[in-house]
Amino acid sequence: DAGVIQSPRHEVTEMGQEVTLRCKPISGHDYLFWYRQTMMRGLELLIYFNNNVPIDDSGMPEDRFSAKMPNASFSTLKIQPSEPRDSAVYFCASSFYTRGNTIYFGEGSWLTVV
Amino acid sequence: EDQVTQSPEALRLQEGESSSLNCSYTVSGLRGLFWYRQDPGKGPEFLFTLYSAGEEKEKERLKATLTKKESFLHITAPKPEDSATYLCAVQALSGYALNFGKGTSLLVTP
Repeated sequence: DAGVIQSPRHEVTEMGQEVTLRCKPISGHDYLFWYRQTMMRGLELLIYFNNNVPIDDSGMPEDRFSAKMPNASFSTLKIQPSEPRDSAVYFCASSFYTRGNTIYFGEGSWLTVV
Repeated sequence: EDQVTQSPEALRLQEGESSSLNCSYTVSGLRGLFWYRQDPGKGPEFLFTLYSAGEEKEKERLKATLTKKESFLHITAPKPEDSATYLCAVQALSGYALNFGKGTSLLVTP
């Protein structure tokens, strides 16, 4: 299996620009998670989906952040407009709860907003 | 509110020098406690899930144990390739997302 695939791996953008991060979960998985990692705050949950439906978005920092999962194989995390404090590594993860509950992470998208 | 605290923040060991990493947690009903390894520039790599107090799991030089308040990751005779950040996370009965601790950065020197 290819694992969780994220793109882009690295992005540098200017403040005020729109950023779209993409995720392809492992085939057959029914849970998808978006996390953000910084040195100060560690790994924080932003939002998670079950069967493409958002279940908990209480970690989304503010209205500038939005996430969608139009189908079982694709999800996006969008930041508009971006700010320097959004600079972080964004991870996508997926799992198939009823088959072992292991949550697998992608390699992350490194975002720098200047 | 669920809380996960890992200690120490950083640990330096000589090759072969066994030690333990601690993960203390509070959660309103534990579904599972997870251990991950994270190498620089990589995503967290799954190691273990523990579900109930008294449970133990092993993988090569690593052994994870669980009580009602904490989990330990024991590293026996570590090698330099065990150097990484080790993350602990809890999954509450109320949901399926993981709540992570800040991690322990382990450096094993030859």
